[in-house]
Amino acid sequence: QQPVQSPQAVILREGEDAVINCSSSKALYSVHWYRQKHGEAPVFLMILLKGGEQKGHDKISASFNEKKQQSSLYLTASQLSYSGTYFCGTEPRYNQGGKLIFGQGTELSVKP
Amino acid sequence: DTAVSQTPKYLVTQMGNDKSIKCEQNLGHDTMYWYKQDSKKFLKIMFSYNNKELIINETVPNRFSPKSPDKAHLNLHINSLELGDSAVYFCASSPSATEQFFGPGTRLTVL
Repeated sequence: QQPVQSPQAVILREGEDAVINCSSSKALYSVHWYRQKHGEAPVFLMILLKGGEQKGHDKISASFNEKKQQSSLYLTASQLSYSGTYFCGTEPRYNQGGKLIFGQGTELSVKP
Repeated sequence: DTAVSQTPKYLVTQMGNDKSIKCEQNLGHDTMYWYKQDSKKFLKIMFSYNNKELIINETVPNRFSPKSPDKAHLNLHINSLELGDSAVYFCASSPSATEQFFGPGTRLTVL
């Protein structure tokens, strides 16, 4: 079952912060985050494997609450280059092997 | 020095035709995937191969047949193309069910 992302779209000014949420109805082994710019391929941002794990990548970080089957992506001090569609990909706990089920995407636009 | 490459980049064809998309990765990864992304950007896994062995085979019409001649290549053949097959098809690879590296995509348009 497809995870649900919220919000569906968000518009920011440069320097503002945003949070994108990903919620699954299934027990999860891992959550992946990808960013896709218009007309390009998805690009890997980070993977979260353990309950409560948090990771950071420059000014983008994420958390994973294994018990709630939720993950959040935090974008701080947004830059124009952050614009794109963000996807969470969930790997079910009992059906691993790299199979990712992607959310519907969150479109992020950063304006000057 | 492209990591994951796909050919062709664009494919325009008539309904009922048969077409193939090729994928190659030079990252030395063991696992390769095919994804379909529709016009609403929904990204769905179709197949996965690990070292030439099929490990994921989602509910996909049997008109779609993947083939992996070696672990660096994964091709997708589509028979009797239908309008609903129009989409962007992405190939991806990963070292071991971890981060996935996507190819540039093949935009298929069925007329």
